[in-house]
Amino acid sequence: NAGVTQTPKFRVLKTGQSMTLLCAQDMNHEYMYWYRQDPGMGLRLIHYSVGEGTTAKGEVPDGYNVSRLKKQNFLLGLESAAPSQTSVYFCASSYSATVNTEAFFGQGTRLTVV
Amino acid sequence: RKEVEQDPGPFNVPEGATVAFNCTYSNSASQSFFWYRQDCRKEPKLLMSVYSSGNEDGRFTAQLNRASQYISLLIRDSKLSDSATYLCVVNLGNAGGTSYGKLTFGQGTILTVHP
Repeated sequence: NAGVTQTPKFRVLKTGQSMTLLCAQDMNHEYMYWYRQDPGMGLRLIHYSVGEGTTAKGEVPDGYNVSRLKKQNFLLGLESAAPSQTSVYFCASSYSATVNTEAFFGQGTRLTVV
Repeated sequence: RKEVEQDPGPFNVPEGATVAFNCTYSNSASQSFFWYRQDCRKEPKLLMSVYSSGNEDGRFTAQLNRASQYISLLIRDSKLSDSATYLCVVNLGNAGGTSYGKLTFGQGTILTVHP
């Protein structure tokens, strides 16, 4: 019973490098989200998707791109990593956006940019 | 103004105490509300949904005041295992217009229950 799986779990990048974080869910959920979590800041929404082929900006989208080519996958890309992007990244999915639909989270990706 | 605001605490209470957390949200069109719990270095997990009429789940009671755009969580008879960060979450649902489906978290309230 996989739920939401994030790959990789840990990564160290050099400034200027690029990478892609993969989020996969096996629950046939329509909605998927990428958040970053920094000390004292809580979870901040980067981008989200309300269905296959759709994406929307969240609170802190700059420096990130996303794609939702398949319903089960939501990719987060860092084009040119910066130390300010050092964070813990969480992916989440939910069945819909209607009342009282639970969001399920992956275990997180700890990214350090040096 | 942040879309969802919480008192970050920390709250440090003895076992058996009653503790209350508050949360306010800015968008009156918000449709659904939740409390999530996050243990140290783990992912958030749903604690309970918050219904308009208020709801209770064992030692936990959640309340919503739409007029004041205010959500609360009450924990009675605190246990050591309740120590965690509690996150207030708001979903715009299908009333969000261009923000349709947006799920926004507060910064979390840290609770430590001690013996």
